[in-house]
Amino acid sequence: SQQGEEDPQALSIQEGENATMNCSYKTSINNLQWYRQNSGRGLVHLILIRSNEREKHSGRLRVTLDTSKKSSSLLITASRAADTASYFCATDHSGGYQKVTFGTGTKLQVIP
Amino acid sequence: DTGVSQNPRHKITKRGQNVTFRCDPISEHNRLYWYRQTLGQGPEFLTYFQNEAQLEKSRLLSDRFSAERPKGSFSTLEIQRTEQGDSAMYLCASTPGQGTYEQYFGPGTRLTVT
Repeated sequence: SQQGEEDPQALSIQEGENATMNCSYKTSINNLQWYRQNSGRGLVHLILIRSNEREKHSGRLRVTLDTSKKSSSLLITASRAADTASYFCATDHSGGYQKVTFGTGTKLQVIP
Repeated sequence: DTGVSQNPRHKITKRGQNVTFRCDPISEHNRLYWYRQTLGQGPEFLTYFQNEAQLEKSRLLSDRFSAERPKGSFSTLEIQRTEQGDSAMYLCASTPGQGTYEQYFGPGTRLTVT
């Protein structure tokens, strides 16, 4: 079963614009990760934020986490055509072996 | 480090046949995961190995599914008596363990059951 739910399901923007996608989950987490999937490279890990963190940056990526609302957002700044992909949040509720549960994904299209 | 590899990349089979997929994790990664992904959905957890021990199996996995990881290296996922509903992408991922959360995914095996 899917734990997280991404919103929107699909997003289309012009190159250079920012893209924001959201993830909501149901039960408390140890950490939350974001992954990208495109047809060429499969699933690739982007960033991890722990439950005691509120914001994290990595290059053009900014992730926020609000545990009280059980939600996270991923912001991609200055988007590029190469950012076209599906983005998934993955939540870790496990006791120790890092079993993650993936959301349904946001399909991002960046138009050159 | 050549990444996680999966074979075959594509498999077409007739309903009722058995299929077996192989995953070679990154060497020295002691944790290995299998997921199933259908169109428009995120990956769904199937099973997990720590070294050669299978520690959890999803309720999604019927008794037609079995996975092994002999010697804690490569893993195989077998589906017996395939059904059309088994058509999906089967993904394998590995992690070093010891508190490392990032999962390294293989390219997947796409199964089509006709």
